[in-house]
Amino acid sequence: GAGVSQTPSNKVTEKGKYVELRCDPISGHTALYWYRQSLGQGPEFLIYFQGTGAADDSGLPNDRFFAVRPEGSVSTLKIQRTERGDSAVYLCASSSDRGQGNTEAFFGQGTRLTVV
Amino acid sequence: AQSVTQLGSHVSVSEGALVLLRCNYSSSVPPYLFWYVQYPNQGLQLLLKYTSAATLVKGINGFEAEFKKSETSFHLTKPSAHMSDAAEYFCAVSDLNFNKFYFGSGTKLNVKP
Repeated sequence: GAGVSQTPSNKVTEKGKYVELRCDPISGHTALYWYRQSLGQGPEFLIYFQGTGAADDSGLPNDRFFAVRPEGSVSTLKIQRTERGDSAVYLCASSSDRGQGNTEAFFGQGTRLTVV
Repeated sequence: AQSVTQLGSHVSVSEGALVLLRCNYSSSVPPYLFWYVQYPNQGLQLLLKYTSAATLVKGINGFEAEFKKSETSFHLTKPSAHMSDAAEYFCAVSDLNFNKFYFGSGTKLNVKP
C-alpha cells in the first residue's frame, strides 16, 4: 500500500479482555517497529522485527504483550488480560532497512486503545 | 543509555515569528538525531535527521536544526512560522543501527494569527 496501515483505528475493550492490533507495513519493507504513546508522552519503543524474527523485544513491558510477524509482512501486537494502564496509542512503523541503518522509518496513524 | 529532553511542552508563536523548539540529548555514543512532526490524527512524519555529516541539517517545510556536540543540543528552528506549522514536534535519538528510537515527550506548537 501507499503507507503503513493500522487497524482498527480505535479499540475500546473491557479490563481483562484480549486484544489484537494489526499493522500492514509498506510493501517490501523488511523492518517493522511497534511503539506505544501514552497521553502527554513521546512514543516508547516496544519491539523491532527484521523479517519474521523479533530482533529486539526489550521494550515489551511484561509477558502480557506479544507480537508476531509470521510471513515477514503483516504484524499483530497481542495484549492479554488488558489493564487500564495499557490505554494508549499504539504506533507501527516500517522501513526498508536491512540492518545497515540510515533509512527512514514511516509511521502509521496508530491504534488508540482504551481499556475500561 | 540514550535519552532526549524537550524543554517546553507548549510553545506559542505569532505567524511570521521565529520558531525555536529545544532538544537536548544524552548519549554514550555519537548520536543519530531526528525531528518528527505529528499533525492531528496523522502519523509521525520525519522532518529532518542528523547522521554525523553536516552539523546544520535542513529539512522539509523550511525547518532546520543544528547539532551542537558541546551543548548536547539539536534545537529545531524555522525563520517564519506559518499557521500550517501548528502540530506536535518530537525530537528523537536512535541507536547506531537505527533500530530503536528514544523520543522526547514532545512540544506542541501553536501559531497565532
